[in-house]
Amino acid sequence: GAGVSQSPSNKVTEKGKDVELRCDPISGHTALYWYRQSLGQGLEFLIYFQGNSAPDKSGLPSDRFSAERTGGSVSTLTIQRTQQEDSAVYLCASSSGSSTSTDTQYFGPGTRLTVL
Amino acid sequence: AQKITQTQPGMFVQEKEAVTLDCTYDTSDPSYGLFWYKQPSSGEMIFLIYQGSYDQQNATEGRYSLNFQKARKSANLVISASQLGDSAMYFCAMREGWSNYQLIWGAGTKLIIKP
Repeated sequence: GAGVSQSPSNKVTEKGKDVELRCDPISGHTALYWYRQSLGQGLEFLIYFQGNSAPDKSGLPSDRFSAERTGGSVSTLTIQRTQQEDSAVYLCASSSGSSTSTDTQYFGPGTRLTVL
Repeated sequence: AQKITQTQPGMFVQEKEAVTLDCTYDTSDPSYGLFWYKQPSSGEMIFLIYQGSYDQQNATEGRYSLNFQKARKSANLVISASQLGDSAMYFCAMREGWSNYQLIWGAGTKLIIKP
């Protein structure tokens, strides 16, 4: 079946502009995660959605970042008034959401954001 | 304190040789899961292998196996017969407790396979 898809694959924007990044999870997966990865760094957790529960936004670095998930499927990560330090690869992952040890996150190809 | 430690920032290995990537972890929760992911230069994070804390056997997936030493809290990834396409970043991650969705990530090891 289809994996996690993300769009756009690359985004170049000017400082101060708003950007929207899209994630389409694996069909049937109830859990969705957003991460940020700066150049040469590990993954930084941003936000987690599980079904209809309130999302865990504890990883969002500032109030310029927000995310929504419509209909329990597609998610959009929005960054307002982008700053140069927002430049990174934004990775989306989904999982079945089962409370078992084997619940595995599967990742999309990422969106490379460059803020000039 | 680091929960996941990958002590090898970079490794060079000759093609066809086996390679071991180190991962040590720290948790007091008896229930946990350990994951290895591969990230090639294209950027996608690819799931490789999983080991649960109660699993009696070491996990294997094709050329990948996990050398799980619970008492030493290590979960090293072994790649047999390395190939040029194995060149990538490799990340170890842990989930503490079955109901905890968050993964704790290591800093990664950059593996380069030499022809």
